[in-house]
Amino acid sequence: NAGVTQTPKFQVLKTGQSMTLQCAQDMNHEYMSWYRQDPGMGLRLIHYSVGAGITDQGEVPNGYNVSRSTTEDFPLRLLSAAPSQTSVYFCASSPTRLSSYEQYFGPGTRLTVT
Amino acid sequence: AQSVSQHNHHVILSEAASLELGCNYSYGGTVNLFWYVQYPGQHLQLLLKYFSGDPLVKGIKGFEAEFIKSKFSFNLRKPSVQWSDTAEYFCAVNAGPGGGNKLTFGTGTQLKVEL
Repeated sequence: NAGVTQTPKFQVLKTGQSMTLQCAQDMNHEYMSWYRQDPGMGLRLIHYSVGAGITDQGEVPNGYNVSRSTTEDFPLRLLSAAPSQTSVYFCASSPTRLSSYEQYFGPGTRLTVT
Repeated sequence: AQSVSQHNHHVILSEAASLELGCNYSYGGTVNLFWYVQYPGQHLQLLLKYFSGDPLVKGIKGFEAEFIKSKFSFNLRKPSVQWSDTAEYFCAVNAGPGGGNKLTFGTGTQLKVEL
């Protein structure tokens, strides 16, 4: 049981490049989400999904796309990277069918855009 | 929309000192409350959570938190900190039943425990 996994751990992009951050969970959780963590700002929700085929925007969605074709995977795409997207990105999952809303976090991806 | 305030951004304590980190939220309805901890270089881990019942919640590693509904607060406490408690601590709120799984986080409190 690996929990929530994220790849890559580190990434450097040039402005304008695109890339996909991968997130997978093996706990059969219905809910998955992406956060970005910036110093002094805590974690802010980018996008989330309540199940395969269903996604929605969070607090800071601009510049990012997501899709959820399977329960296990929830990739985050940067369409055209900008220096303002330099951040640490965390993926999280939780079971919605239980009364508990505890979220389990992945190890994070540290992204630098130059 | 709910919001979470953590007023202590940086806290420095000596080992064995007592700890209290403040957390206030703004939301008028039923809430679920969480404290997460992030050790240096690691991902977030759940310290404790409150859904209902006893407002004094005990978590891992000797931490506890008290939910005071009238003050919209969920402060984290530990009677005696250790050097290994050096980490960043985040308070988070979820808008209770029907609010889905979305968490709103505070800006975090960086705790440094000195030997």
